[in-house]
Amino acid sequence: ELKVEQNPLFLSMQEGKNYTIYCNYSTTSDRLYWYRQDPGKSLESLFVLLSNGAVKQEGRLMASLDTKARLSTLHITAAVHDLSATYFCAVAQSYNTDKLIFGTGTRLQVFP
Amino acid sequence: SQTIHQWPATLVQPVGSPLSLECTVEGTSNPNLYWYRQAAGRGLQLLFYSVGIGQISSEVPQNLSASRPQDRQFILSSKKLLLSDSGFYLCAWSGPSGYTDTQYFGPGTRLTVL
Repeated sequence: ELKVEQNPLFLSMQEGKNYTIYCNYSTTSDRLYWYRQDPGKSLESLFVLLSNGAVKQEGRLMASLDTKARLSTLHITAAVHDLSATYFCAVAQSYNTDKLIFGTGTRLQVFP
Repeated sequence: SQTIHQWPATLVQPVGSPLSLECTVEGTSNPNLYWYRQAAGRGLQLLFYSVGIGQISSEVPQNLSASRPQDRQFILSSKKLLLSDSGFYLCAWSGPSGYTDTQYFGPGTRLTVL
């Protein structure tokens, strides 16, 4: 059974600082997704990572995937308050399937 | 462009009452459709998914059911709600072209069962 773990669960960081959120998964998969959720809102797609070594960047966020280590990272550069949200990774349950298993989420709070 | 709608946005229902949540997608054909539930402060749990009209796969045994009467309509139902059914229900769609498509989420329905 595929399990997806994120850490940390909570992250409070100062504006301008860098930090990394980690997403580990327990069985082989070929796809990993990152989503953002603002309080009380739906999920917004951030990145889709489809191969080992894939790296995607958008603004202050950069995501990478290491399928051999079963690890994805979401790196935050020079955090700003607008990045405060909960971030979820989701892993495809197996090859050739649409079923995603979501991590527990990392709640990020950026303060001045 | 594609859009996804859910209604109602919020719902408060007594235990034992029926439920019907609706999800519709515009701007695409033959989408894959999904129902997820998010308990307070938790991650998402896949409840149902559908690859076509009348084709429903259930992921978790429960007192909920799903139907897809039209290509771009997905309905979540219950005959008798339980307290444990409270949560944030999200509908999502992905393109039919391949399983690597991103899943795009609707605005959600917040259900409180009292």
